[in-house]
Amino acid sequence: EVQVVESGGGLAQPGGSLRLSCAASGFTFNNYEMNWVRQAPGKGLEWVSYIGSGGRTIYYADSVMGRFTIFRDNAKNSLYLQMNSLRAEDTAVYYCARGVGLRGVTMDVWGRGTTVTVSA
Amino acid sequence: EIVMTQSPATLSVSPGERATLSCRASQSFSSNLAWYQQKPGQAPRLIIFSASTRVTGVPARFSGSGSGAEFTLTISSLQSEDFAVYYCQQYNYWPPVFGGGTKVEIK
Repeated sequence: EVQVVESGGGLAQPGGSLRLSCAASGFTFNNYEMNWVRQAPGKGLEWVSYIGSGGRTIYYADSVMGRFTIFRDNAKNSLYLQMNSLRAEDTAVYYCARGVGLRGVTMDVWGRGTTVTVSA
Repeated sequence: EIVMTQSPATLSVSPGERATLSCRASQSFSSNLAWYQQKPGQAPRLIIFSASTRVTGVPARFSGSGSGAEFTLTISSLQSEDFAVYYCQQYNYWPPVFGGGTKVEIK
């Protein structure tokens, strides 16, 4: 079964850090681009970051640029999001999503998400 | 950054009726648009890409159309499982941007 499973969410203080992980299975991970998308409570979807299949091409939303780092370990079929300098507005469910098609940001496989809460 | 505006925010429809959802872009582009369905407590699900191509397994009652700055998702005869929030997403320009969503609820 093709799936991705996120982990690593939790409660962090403002200014703190968290690292999210995404474990992929059922497909050849190193052939696919990957993304992180978040959803604040009761709000819509916001694309956060993209990484190419080889890990060299990376993009971020302006809202997280300079604070978040996306990376992947193809040997471990895993995607990560290192989140530093967290703010209250980073509170959201974070989804890992496989990218396909043009630019690799049409997202055809999604995990169930991991919840990040930033609060003192 | 391109802005994607979905309307209406909420659509009340009776089962068996037709639902028409709109997605408008602040800049024109060809067909690099996707639609996602999200049910409460679940992850989004890709249902349409390239503006009009259904993902394998998506029922034929879902259809997408449009180009330029105006796109439409039509559900021809709503079934109980179709009541959800629908998001459009453009991927023609960086960054990819989602619309604010349309909630399709039971009338």
